[in-house]
Amino acid sequence: AQSVTQLDSQVPVFEEAPVELRCNYSSSVSVYLFWYVQYPNQGLQLLLKYLSGSTLVKGINGFEAEFNKSQTSFHLRKPSVHISDTAEYFCAVSGGSNYKLTFGKGTLLTVNP
Amino acid sequence: DADVTQTPRNRITKTGKRIMLECSQTKGHDRMYWYRQDPGLGLRLIYYSFDVKDINKGEISDGYSVSRQAQAKFSLSLESAIPNQTALYFCATSETRSTGTEQYFGPGTRLTVT
Repeated sequence: AQSVTQLDSQVPVFEEAPVELRCNYSSSVSVYLFWYVQYPNQGLQLLLKYLSGSTLVKGINGFEAEFNKSQTSFHLRKPSVHISDTAEYFCAVSGGSNYKLTFGKGTLLTVNP
Repeated sequence: DADVTQTPRNRITKTGKRIMLECSQTKGHDRMYWYRQDPGLGLRLIYYSFDVKDINKGEISDGYSVSRQAQAKFSLSLESAIPNQTALYFCATSETRSTGTEQYFGPGTRLTVT
């Protein structure tokens, strides 16, 4: 079985500040990790994914995430956020021969001017 | 044009009515999924299909049924809608690889059951 915990349900920040959205996972097998973003009234869009190799993954819109196997974490970071980054962010995991994605409950990032 | 489309985008229906949500994709993917999203609960898998003849229940399939009419079409039905099925519904697709493949989402259908 696999599960995902997003440690913050809401994260308010000011524009141009750095941000970190935290994600922890549990799985009994090797994992593949994803971050999706959902802008208001839209579907989910892939930000980045970790399949193997370098533990630092770069995605779209200046986001990056670091896979930490020992801490079972996959935190998402951006050094300087914009108003347009306001959205809900979902961490997801799949693993082994399990094709299914298991999603966290989401973190609402609100960027204030 | 969008790769994964859903119709309708919004629907209000009454308790007890039958309703169908439709999903079409032009990505050529074999795998298709239906999720529901509720505030604070993330996305939960309702049904998934690996090909036209392979349909499987997800974690919350009670009260729902699906039909895979073709590789590109996957419909979700609520046989007798109830208010706690009010939610945002997403269709998704993915390639046929064993694992590690991302899913591509449609824009969602907002369903309200009164």
